[in-house]
Amino acid sequence: KQEVTQIPAALSVPEGENLVLNCSFTDSAIYNLQWFRQDPGKGLTSLLLIQSSQREQTSGRLNASLDKSSGRSTLYIAASQPGDSATYLCAVRRTNAGKSTFGDGTTLTVKP
Amino acid sequence: DVKVTQSSRYLVKRTGEKVFLECVQDMDHENMFWYRQDPGLGLRLIYFSYDVKMKEKGDIPEGYSVSREKKERFSLILESASTNQTSMYLCASSLDGVSGGDTDTQYFGPGTRLTVL
Repeated sequence: KQEVTQIPAALSVPEGENLVLNCSFTDSAIYNLQWFRQDPGKGLTSLLLIQSSQREQTSGRLNASLDKSSGRSTLYIAASQPGDSATYLCAVRRTNAGKSTFGDGTTLTVKP
Repeated sequence: DVKVTQSSRYLVKRTGEKVFLECVQDMDHENMFWYRQDPGLGLRLIYFSYDVKMKEKGDIPEGYSVSREKKERFSLILESASTNQTSMYLCASSLDGVSGGDTDTQYFGPGTRLTVL
């Protein structure tokens, strides 16, 4: 059974800092991995999706990497802003028609 | 832009009531999902559907059923609501799981916070 872990559970940084969020998974036989952002009381917003054959994806100040062999993905946020404050979740899908397993998320606070 | 809408943001029901949660997507997506999200337990998949009238159980289907009569609409049904079904319910959709790339991206609705008294 796939298990997805995100450490730390919470992170607080000053504005402007570059930071890395971590996502670990136990079964390396994945189809893809997706990073989401969730604001309090809201749904999830997709940030980046990495297919199993890819090593990284970039969107603006965000860069996500994937290392299947070690069961890890990182989300790099450059020049953090207070508007980046949210909970970030990663989700791992096992097959092309299968379900995703979600981590519990890392709650990020960026202080002005 | 993909839009996934859910019928209610907040809902209060009584134990034993039959509850319908509706989800509609406007992008002709093949796949639709229902999750619940609880503090300390994260997001858990209840049911998903990969085509009209097709459904598959997720991790926690007990106490729930679903209906997908039309491609754009996926309904979650609580046959007899119980207090342990108080939760945030999230619907999601994705284009398909075959083509790869961005077609696998899951798009979420705003969520329905259900309270069962």
